[in-house]
Amino acid sequence: EIVLTQSPATLSLSPGERATLSCRASQSVSSFLAWYQQKPGQAPRLLIYDTSNRATGIPARFSGSGSGTDFTLTISSLEPEDFAVYYCQQRSGWPFFGGGTRVELK
Amino acid sequence: QVQLQESGPGLVKPSETLSLTCAVSGYSISSDHYWAWIRQPPGKGLEWIGEINHSGNTNYNPSLQGRVTISADKSKNRFSLKLTSVTAADTAVYSCARGRLTAEYYFDYWGQGTRVTVSS
Repeated sequence: EIVLTQSPATLSLSPGERATLSCRASQSVSSFLAWYQQKPGQAPRLLIYDTSNRATGIPARFSGSGSGTDFTLTISSLEPEDFAVYYCQQRSGWPFFGGGTRVELK
Repeated sequence: QVQLQESGPGLVKPSETLSLTCAVSGYSISSDHYWAWIRQPPGKGLEWIGEINHSGNTNYNPSLQGRVTISADKSKNRFSLKLTSVTAADTAVYSCARGRLTAEYYFDYWGQGTRVTVSS
């Protein structure tokens, strides 16, 4: 089974700053990855699928990139509503999620 | 608009069976895609429990194999989760979601989640 390692665990930033979140897979099973955003008390929301495609209604400030074992979610300029936990996910046999990165207000 | 809504008891006794249902609206579960259950223990990350596809085929997380059953009622457009012999470790928010496979597999619609506590 694969392990998805997200870093950093916590990112402390201010509105308007750029956020760069990393997801590393323990082995290369797919060139594609999904990203989700989760706010307290809410279900996760799909942000990015197939590594770089924004889901319906997701603002352009969210972008995804990567291949092989290294993937990145970038938020170009943080808005107040972007402070949340972000998860990456792949499927190898069955779906796996990373441990999450919390983007918190500095 | 696809919507999913979980329902079921919020409290289950140890050793008993956890039963949840996910009602789907805006899309027929018989048409396509995968219909999944995912859980999140308090303060922890996400764990996939299992899925049923539009043809009725199921897949389960090996760590839960033998305790989990997912079934579908196409006439009511809903699917269900049964988890037997529960312990405190099964306390979590349980969410249903639609799994979609394009170049990679991902979950594009989620229910709000329902909190289940295992306690006597």
